[in-house]
Amino acid sequence: GESVGLHLPTLSVQEGDNSIINCAYSNSASDYFIWYKQESGKGPQFIIDIRSNMDKRQGQRVTVLLNKTVKHLSLQIAATQPGDSAVYFCAENKGSARQLTFGSGTQLTVLP
Amino acid sequence: NAGVMQNPRHLVRRRGQEARLRCSPMKGHSHVYWYRQLPEEGLKFMVYLQKENIIDESGMPKERFSAEFPKEGPSILRIQQVVRGDSAAYFCASSSVPQETQYFGPGTRLLVL
Repeated sequence: GESVGLHLPTLSVQEGDNSIINCAYSNSASDYFIWYKQESGKGPQFIIDIRSNMDKRQGQRVTVLLNKTVKHLSLQIAATQPGDSAVYFCAENKGSARQLTFGSGTQLTVLP
Repeated sequence: NAGVMQNPRHLVRRRGQEARLRCSPMKGHSHVYWYRQLPEEGLKFMVYLQKENIIDESGMPKERFSAEFPKEGPSILRIQQVVRGDSAAYFCASSSVPQETQYFGPGTRLLVL
């Protein structure tokens, strides 16, 4: 029979532009959120995290915004570079649970 | 400053064989987590261990899968009598304390023929 594959949301940006990747999380009890970058054939690489008592956190070229009202998380990458091309996952940690719950991921492609 | 190490990186097994996946956490980390990733999907939690203890195995299939983290040596994820549906990438992560940042290894890609 026909097999149906899952397709990741995709985002294409020009080199040098800013990128915004969005994520909706499910559990209002989640109190810790992380963004990971995964390149093909590699493990997830930590980018930045934020706790629920914060709305914004900045790193080197990256900013994470947290809107608890609508349970939305975003990752902003400034001056996107070719090396930023990867799949980006948001993950949440729910209260006392130890495991991370991952979103489905967004494929970022940086165009020359 | 070695990160999380996993071996083997690639593993091919025939149906019915056993697969053993190893994970050495980052230096100083005593909390280990195993996740499974199917193609074009996010990672799914399997099990959380501390030294000599399984803390949370709520994501582990009830049969054929087991995990351990002995006092000495790496954490082991064991899959007995593998089936084609076990083909996936298996990632290990470690943290220094629970609910702190989990750092991931490069993964083991299991292919069941």
